[in-house]
Amino acid sequence: QQPVQSPQAVILREGEDAVINCSSSKALYSVHWYRQKHGEAPVFLMILLKGGEQKGHDKISASFNEKKQQSSLYLTASQLSYSGTYFCGTALIYGQNFVFGPGTRLSVLP
Amino acid sequence: DAGITQSPRYKITETGRQVTLMCHQTWSHSYMFWYRQDLGHGLRLIYYSAAADITDKGEVPDGYVVSRSKTENFPLTLESATRSQTSVYFCASSESGGGAHSTDTQYFGPGTRLTVL
Repeated sequence: QQPVQSPQAVILREGEDAVINCSSSKALYSVHWYRQKHGEAPVFLMILLKGGEQKGHDKISASFNEKKQQSSLYLTASQLSYSGTYFCGTALIYGQNFVFGPGTRLSVLP
Repeated sequence: DAGITQSPRYKITETGRQVTLMCHQTWSHSYMFWYRQDLGHGLRLIYYSAAADITDKGEVPDGYVVSRSKTENFPLTLESATRSQTSVYFCASSESGGGAHSTDTQYFGPGTRLTVL
């Protein structure tokens, strides 16, 4: 039930945009996004629910496409501080612990 | 200090030894979780607890034991450590469970890097 994330890794220049996808073979109830910087603990970014609106957090936003069973994380005008590994966590039904994907490593270069 | 703490931060042990990793949170969160993180696998849930004295298995529970006699503590024990249990272990807590609300947000401890020789 582990979701699939793509790409596995991406390298950007400061100011460029990126999209990270999280998809499941089964219908999703909720998607959670976390960011983990090297050597640190994961930190919550946002949660998206089935039927919910697109969320935003500073220049990071996310959408939830129920038909595609996919969530996308959008990073606009990337900053150096955006570097890290981004994990999505998916739950198929209410009350289920979410399962994390393998992560997408994002590197932002000056 | 407020928050969620783990101890020890680093541990080296030998195959067959018993090891206990400690996790303590000061928020009185109902839910607590143990994950292991290995390259290429992301975060995998070992055990979780919805409240004191209530625990349940996650995705990879074999070889691990947990207990939760107090809300704030959730120790993880490796009864007979194996090399395959070399990993970084994260403890997390959340106000609620269910995956549908902001209160289900999980707050992670700093992690324990365990090496089994």
